[in-house]
Amino acid sequence: DTGVSQDPRHKITKRGQNVTFRCDPISEHNRLYWYRQTLGQGPEFLTYFQNEAQLEKSRLLSDRFSAERPKGSFSTLEIQRTEQGDSAMYLCASSPSPSGELFFGEGSRLTVL
Amino acid sequence: QQPVQSPQAVILREGEDAVINCSSSKALYSVHWYRQKHGEAPVFLMILLKGGEQKGHDKISASFNEKKQQSSLYLTASQLSYSGTYFCGTVNSGGSNYKLTFGKGTLLTVNP
Repeated sequence: DTGVSQDPRHKITKRGQNVTFRCDPISEHNRLYWYRQTLGQGPEFLTYFQNEAQLEKSRLLSDRFSAERPKGSFSTLEIQRTEQGDSAMYLCASSPSPSGELFFGEGSRLTVL
Repeated sequence: QQPVQSPQAVILREGEDAVINCSSSKALYSVHWYRQKHGEAPVFLMILLKGGEQKGHDKISASFNEKKQQSSLYLTASQLSYSGTYFCGTVNSGGSNYKLTFGKGTLLTVNP
């Protein structure tokens, strides 16, 4: 069991550029979450998937954010036209069941200059 | 919809006890507890699924009062390794998608 892996671990980009993060969940985990975390705050819900179906997307997210989970395996989170306010740690977590414990990846830290 | 945690921060000496509270304005199906150390990912501690349920994990235990929509995490005889930020996550009852929403966290510092 290799755990949840995220790539890249760090991303520095200029305002206005697009970025994409990838998450590989634990094999056979059908539930996958994306959260955003800023310093001193709890993980903020972004979106989640049950297999390949996206169940909900946070109303706090603008249309610049999109996520996919093709074939119910890995997931990608894309942020278009990045803004300085997007700077944060983006956490991915997977779970073996809808009500089960979450296994978090190490996160992808985004810095927008 | 985000659960409210209290206190925001607590400082202990090794061996002392602490209680962290988590409350919600909505009826709850379950409560999760996680600990996050600086620069690391959150790590699962326990889930409480039923009203009135209590669970233990070494010297860390928790209770869930479904009627009051509250959960408490109890840390007894604290160790230096308990330092970190503790988050509760809640799943509201009545839905079918089990979305987990986290509180803002409680920073626990255990000093020698």
